[in-house]
Amino acid sequence: AQKITQTQPGMFVQEKEAVTLDCTYDTSDPSYGLFWYKQPSSGEMIFLIYQGSYDQQNATEGRYSLNFQKARKSANLVISASQLGDSAMYFCAMRERSTQGGSEKLVFGKGMKLTVNP
Amino acid sequence: DTAVSQTPKYLVTQMGNDKSIKCEQNLGHDTMYWYKQDSKKFLKIMFSYNNKELIINETVPNRFSPKSPDKAHLNLHINSLELGDSAVYFCASRKLAGGDEQFFGPGTRLTVL
Repeated sequence: AQKITQTQPGMFVQEKEAVTLDCTYDTSDPSYGLFWYKQPSSGEMIFLIYQGSYDQQNATEGRYSLNFQKARKSANLVISASQLGDSAMYFCAMRERSTQGGSEKLVFGKGMKLTVNP
Repeated sequence: DTAVSQTPKYLVTQMGNDKSIKCEQNLGHDTMYWYKQDSKKFLKIMFSYNNKELIINETVPNRFSPKSPDKAHLNLHINSLELGDSAVYFCASRKLAGGDEQFFGPGTRLTVL
């Protein structure tokens, strides 16, 4: 079963508008972390924002905020005032404890492509 | 100052060859990972090392053998390359205790012909 679901394969937004990228997750572990990464066309993976399962407040990092709704198991990324440079693939990921050795790993969603139009 | 570096950035080789990808991190992290991103952009963990010790092996074929000579390095050796091995391979690292973010390297694009 998919643990991280990103249902929007692609989205278009006008420059300077806000956009919400959807992510739902599935876990029975009470302690987990949720991440968003950006992958521009150049290919590198850029960390954007992190939300811990016990964090009381929604995470914010500059123009990025995470709309964390624990009961609904959703962790949507909100980008305010979109810029042309925001055009990229966006991946939602969950930190999960591995059954092997108690280590932790990231489980990624399939990603979604955001295009910001001028 | 590169945090996580990988070499080479691009690797084109023939089926059946053996190749290695190197990864180094200068962040003082304890844990290092290899992820594979396939042609559909799906990212999946392959291996994880804590302090040079293999912790996670996600049902990766035996042809893939990671090696960690020290905490700062995690190399990936691939024997008898197959067409399906073509992908982008990312190295990542994080602090074992108290670290949340995984820092990714720039990726190595492997093309098997």
